[in-house]
Amino acid sequence: GAVVSQHPSWVICKSGTSVKIECRSLDFQATTMFWYRQFPKQSLMLMATSNEGSKATYEQGVEKDKFLINHASLTLSTLTVTSAHPEDSSFYICSASWGQGGYGYTFGSGTRLTVV
Amino acid sequence: AQTVTQSQPEMSVQEAETVTLSCTYDTSENNYYLFWYKQPPSRQMILVIRQEAYKQQNATENRFSVNFQKAAKSFSLKISDSQLGDTAMYFCAFMGEDSGYSTLTFGKGTMLLVSP
Repeated sequence: GAVVSQHPSWVICKSGTSVKIECRSLDFQATTMFWYRQFPKQSLMLMATSNEGSKATYEQGVEKDKFLINHASLTLSTLTVTSAHPEDSSFYICSASWGQGGYGYTFGSGTRLTVV
Repeated sequence: AQTVTQSQPEMSVQEAETVTLSCTYDTSENNYYLFWYKQPPSRQMILVIRQEAYKQQNATENRFSVNFQKAAKSFSLKISDSQLGDTAMYFCAFMGEDSGYSTLTFGKGTMLLVSP
């Protein structure tokens, strides 16, 4: 149980275009989802916290207009990288909370974005 | 703000041997959870073990155990009988009451290489 599906697993896009990444909780309802960015050989950096039915909370330094997050249902959150540039190339990971107190966190398999 | 420090960027161990990964953290909170996550080459984040701060007993999961020293704010991971499949990046993480037990703060990670 507690599976999070993330798609696509990898994507290549042209500079200036937008890319959407989906994060779905398959067997539970996720009131809160998190989006991370990870550079090679580095740790996970929290970008934003996504709550179902409300606006996402972005971490300091993360551009809200570039990284659009939508959490329209209890099982789906999306991250759209708008007007992508090569510096947006990275590994993006989502996670979802299904419980409290640190019991229920599961991660998606990640998306490797390459902007050319 | 909480910080999590992993002082060993890389570690090596031979198969069947025991290795200990270090983690220290800084917080003023009294109630929190600590985690070790594993990220193998597939980059899927996998929960290895979790510890509740109010529990004095060290958590264990098969070959994985922790040495939790609350006063020293230390949370090391011991891997016994190391296996080739243990090769991965290991992240120590903190989740505190102040964030409503919702946000994970990660250390920079330790790359563990298990050799035959």
